[in-house]
Amino acid sequence: DAGVIQSPRHEVTEMGQEVTLRCKPISGHNSLFWYRQTMMRGLELLIYFNNNVPIDDSGMPEDRFSAKMPNASFSTLKIQPSEPRDSAVYFCASSITRTEAFFGQGTRLTVV
Amino acid sequence: GIQVEQSPPDLILQEGANSTLRCNFSDSVNNLQWFHQNPWGQLINLFYIPSGTKQNGRLSATTVATERYSLLYISSSQTTDSGVYFCAVSNFGNEKLTFGTGTRLTIIP
Repeated sequence: DAGVIQSPRHEVTEMGQEVTLRCKPISGHNSLFWYRQTMMRGLELLIYFNNNVPIDDSGMPEDRFSAKMPNASFSTLKIQPSEPRDSAVYFCASSITRTEAFFGQGTRLTVV
Repeated sequence: GIQVEQSPPDLILQEGANSTLRCNFSDSVNNLQWFHQNPWGQLINLFYIPSGTKQNGRLSATTVATERYSLLYISSSQTTDSGVYFCAVSNFGNEKLTFGTGTRLTIIP
């Protein structure tokens, strides 16, 4: 299995632009998580889905952030408009419900 | 929510030394994982260990769920062991993993 696949690996964008991060979970996994890692806040959960349904989005920082999971093999995290404070590494992870989670390689986002 | 504390925050060792990393958590858990974040930023699964003891080569882990802690042992350290080690837990009724702040391990040749 190829593992969790995220794209792009790196993204540099200007403040105010829309950014879309993509994730393909491991085949057969039915839970998907989006995390953000910063020096100040460490690794924090933004949102997670179970069977394509958002279960907990309490970590989404504000309305500029949105996430979708249109099917079992694809999810997006969108930031519109982006701000410099959104600069971070964004990880996607997947699991079979209530078992071991596996992480993608992350997307390093820089907003200038 | 559940709190996760890791100690020590930083550890510097000579190659060949042994180390013990600790993870304390504030509530009952049904999932506990140890990860190694390498210098390239990848989060690598080490152990899925909500309870009991597991070993994988030079690494082993023990979780004592009733006392709310887990230990990660690294023996005969190598420079490739350098990086940040994270403990992450979830408790019953909530699938999301809460991460500790990590232990930064530096192995000196």
